[in-house]
Amino acid sequence: EVQLVESGGGLVQPGRSLRLSCAASRFTFDDYAMHWVRQTPGKGLEWVSGIGWNSGDIVYADSVKGRFTISRDNAKNSLYLHMNSLRPEDSAMYYCAKDITSSGSGTFDIWGQGTMVTVSS
Amino acid sequence: DIQMTQSPSSLSASVGDRVTITCRPSQSISGYLNWYQQKAGKAPELLIYTASSLQSGVPSRFSGSGSGTDFTLTISSLQPEDFATYYCQQTYSTPWTFGQGTKVEIK
Repeated sequence: EVQLVESGGGLVQPGRSLRLSCAASRFTFDDYAMHWVRQTPGKGLEWVSGIGWNSGDIVYADSVKGRFTISRDNAKNSLYLHMNSLRPEDSAMYYCAKDITSSGSGTFDIWGQGTMVTVSS
Repeated sequence: DIQMTQSPSSLSASVGDRVTITCRPSQSISGYLNWYQQKAGKAPELLIYTASSLQSGVPSRFSGSGSGTDFTLTISSLQPEDFATYYCQQTYSTPWTFGQGTKVEIK
């Protein structure tokens, strides 16, 4: 079964950093773009960032631009999200999601189970 | 950013009912509209892409229609496993945005 497993979430103080990881299995990871999507009870689902199959196309939501960095290691079938200067409003469940295309269409056909990030002092 | 408005925000229905959920983007998005289902405590799952294409493995009682600024998700005969929250999403332009969700509850 195709699977995405996120890790790295937790409780962090405002202004600090955190790195999320997503391990992919049972599909050809480097054939697809990948994304991070977050969800809060108040703001719902919010796409955060996406990266093309060869890291050539990278896009961010304005809310995280300049603070978050998406990356991938195709040799390790892994996706990452480096989050700096964290704010309370970044608190959310973060999902890793697979795109249906290699360059990034915004359609997510496989999602991980999510990792919770809480930003609080 | 394109704002996505779903209606209703919630609905109560019985098993066997026909259910319709509407999604209206703030500008025309052609057919670049997806629908996702999310059950409590789980990640969203893709149901419909490009407005009317059924994702592999999704039951045929789910269907999508529409274009431009008016889209509909229909469940032809609601089943117990369909009680969930449904989200629309536009893929016309980044940032890709989602509707606020429609919670389908048991009547």
